[in-house]
Amino acid sequence: KNQVEQSPQSLIILEGKNCTLQCNYTVSPFSNLRWYKQDTGRGPVSLTIMTFSENTKSNGRYTATLDADTKQSSLHITASQLSDSASYICVVSVYGGSQGNLIFGKGTKLSVKP
Amino acid sequence: DAGVIQSPRHEVTEMGQEVTLRCKPISGHDYLFWYRQTMMRGLELLIYFNNNVPIDDSGMPEDRFSAKMPNASFSTLKIQPSEPRDSAVYFCAITGLAGAEQYFGPGTRLTVT
Repeated sequence: KNQVEQSPQSLIILEGKNCTLQCNYTVSPFSNLRWYKQDTGRGPVSLTIMTFSENTKSNGRYTATLDADTKQSSLHITASQLSDSASYICVVSVYGGSQGNLIFGKGTKLSVKP
Repeated sequence: DAGVIQSPRHEVTEMGQEVTLRCKPISGHDYLFWYRQTMMRGLELLIYFNNNVPIDDSGMPEDRFSAKMPNASFSTLKIQPSEPRDSAVYFCAITGLAGAEQYFGPGTRLTVT
C-alpha cells in the first residue's frame, strides 16, 4: 500500500535553532517528492519538488534531501524564525499515475518559540 | 494563495442543509483539484478536472458530494445533505502542467452542526 509517514508529529524549537523533519514513504513506482509549508488558516505552499535523480534541493533556509534507495526524505530548516511556525507536509507522486495520484503525509507541526 | 479564490472562507450550517463551496482560479491552468483536510486524515483528494472535464472522482466520499466546472474560471463543490462528519477544511488547487507543483487556495472551513 502506498503510504507516506512523517515524523515527528509535532516539534517545538527555539528561534535561531536548526531542525530536521523526516518523511518515509512506501510509494512505488516513485515519480517525485514534494515538501509543502502550510501556515495556520492558509493553503499549503510548495517549498521543493525533487525527482528520483535529485539528492538535495534548497529554497532559502529550507534544504530537502532525498534518498530514493531507502525511500526517505528530510527537510532541514536552518536558523529558524518565528515565521517558520507551520505544518510541513510531505507529498509523494506515483510515476505514471494520474494527476490525482499524490500520496500525502499527515504533516509535522512546527512551533518556533522566541 | 495566489491564483485561487475560494468562497466562503467559513461556513457553518445545520445537518441536512445543502452546502455549496466555490473556487475561482485567477491564473491560467489545465488542472483543478478539490481536497478535504481534517486532523485525523490529513489532505485527501476528492476530485480533479482537466480542461474543465472531471477525470477522477474516486475520492468523493458519497453520492452526497458533487462537483462541477462549467468553465475554466469557476468550479463548485456541493454537499447535499450535509452531515457533521463533513466538517473539514476544503481546498481548491490548480496546476498548469502535468506533474507541476500545485497552487492552493486559502480554503473553506466547513462546520456542520
